[in-house]
Amino acid sequence: SQQGEEDPQALSIQEGENATMNCSYKTSINNLQWYRQNSGRGLVHLILIRSNEREKHSGRLRVTLDTSKKSSSLLITASRAADTASYFCATGGRGNKLTFGTGTQLKVEL
Amino acid sequence: DTAVSQTPKYLVTQMGNDKSIKCEQNLGHDTMYWYKQDSKKFLKIMFSYNNKELIINETVPNRFSPKSPDKAHLNLHINSLELGDSAVYFCASSQVSSGSYEQYFGPGTRLTVT
Repeated sequence: SQQGEEDPQALSIQEGENATMNCSYKTSINNLQWYRQNSGRGLVHLILIRSNEREKHSGRLRVTLDTSKKSSSLLITASRAADTASYFCATGGRGNKLTFGTGTQLKVEL
Repeated sequence: DTAVSQTPKYLVTQMGNDKSIKCEQNLGHDTMYWYKQDSKKFLKIMFSYNNKELIINETVPNRFSPKSPDKAHLNLHINSLELGDSAVYFCASSQVSSGSYEQYFGPGTRLTVT
């Protein structure tokens, strides 16, 4: 399976703290994307980083990509209760096929 | 307006039956996808269509047959349903021709086979 691994599988933090999730993948990529999934809902695209980029920011999100290590990280700063969700990394390949990681379940407590 | 919609939202049926799930996107995208998410939340692509042409066909039993009547619709028909088909099925779309690779997902169809 080409499915990537995400670490940690679950993360529980207090509101206001930062949350960091890591993703490792196995094959060469065109881009890497992060998605959020709230319980019982569809996935929502958060951010895309291309294979020639090393870091990208969007609001409270910061994504890094290290293609030599085949890894990426997602940092959510100043977390809120509304950030509670599952977060998935996905690598984009031929035909825009997305291969998803195993996901990190984030719980942000008040 | 809902960007990517799926019907039905829930589907409970018995083994051996044939069922269809419908997907529509009003984003004007050229590419649509079907994904399966199992009980452990693993998401795996099944099919992808670009301008009504099948471009990705993963290792999926041939009981699953996608159909794209036009660019805005991608339906999934499943024959002879099995217990292992129980999962949440997501439709998604993207505009690949403009170099925009993010995918927009529908709300999912939870299929339960008894």
